[in-house]
Amino acid sequence: GAGVSQSPSNKVTEKGKDVELRCDPISGHTALYWYRQRLGQGLEFLIYFQGNSAPDKSGLPSDRFSAERTGESVSTLTIQRTQQEDSAVYLCASSLKGLLSVTYEQYFGPGTRLTVT
Amino acid sequence: GQQLNQSPQSMFIQEGEDVSMNCTSSSIFNTWLWYKQDPGEGPVLLIALYKAGELTSNGRLTAQFGITRKDSFLNISASIPSDVGIYFCAGLYGGSQGNLIFGKGTKLSVKP
Repeated sequence: GAGVSQSPSNKVTEKGKDVELRCDPISGHTALYWYRQRLGQGLEFLIYFQGNSAPDKSGLPSDRFSAERTGESVSTLTIQRTQQEDSAVYLCASSLKGLLSVTYEQYFGPGTRLTVT
Repeated sequence: GQQLNQSPQSMFIQEGEDVSMNCTSSSIFNTWLWYKQDPGEGPVLLIALYKAGELTSNGRLTAQFGITRKDSFLNISASIPSDVGIYFCAGLYGGSQGNLIFGKGTKLSVKP
């Protein structure tokens, strides 16, 4: 497909377990973002990858959260020792260029709904 | 830090009504993006605005980039039931790295 894809679409895990969420950005998009959206809430920025630059990790809520990106393709968001407060929808987005581009557009995936029991 | 105030937080629509929502800030933005999110899905980009004063339409949707660059408006004309959902604004501002921030959303529901 042409859009951003994420997997799994739903994940239920037990408190204390680690989870990995995957994002496939739109082909050719240099920038990739992860957001968290709690039920009924807005979007909370987590991390931003732009090309080969060091990622902007300023939104990661704790050291249990980490993310990696392979080149300009797939990214994985890892949450270690999950807590119930981690339950949320995790959204990935990508953009053709970074945040300094003159004509900027960001496209979202469908999200992964994480439930920690 | 930068903040976007999106209003209203929620509103009820009756089919055929026009709807208006806005985002404001004390900061200046270079780009405004408007998204719609349906339940269980990711936000979908509706309109992107790049210049102060710019007015852009997408079907029944019209958005404007405020002349002061501190605000943006989204109007929906002749609303239909499938317009329900949550609408988010996002503003991109500059600086050494650039930054994109989101409003908290306007939830559109159908009048009971």
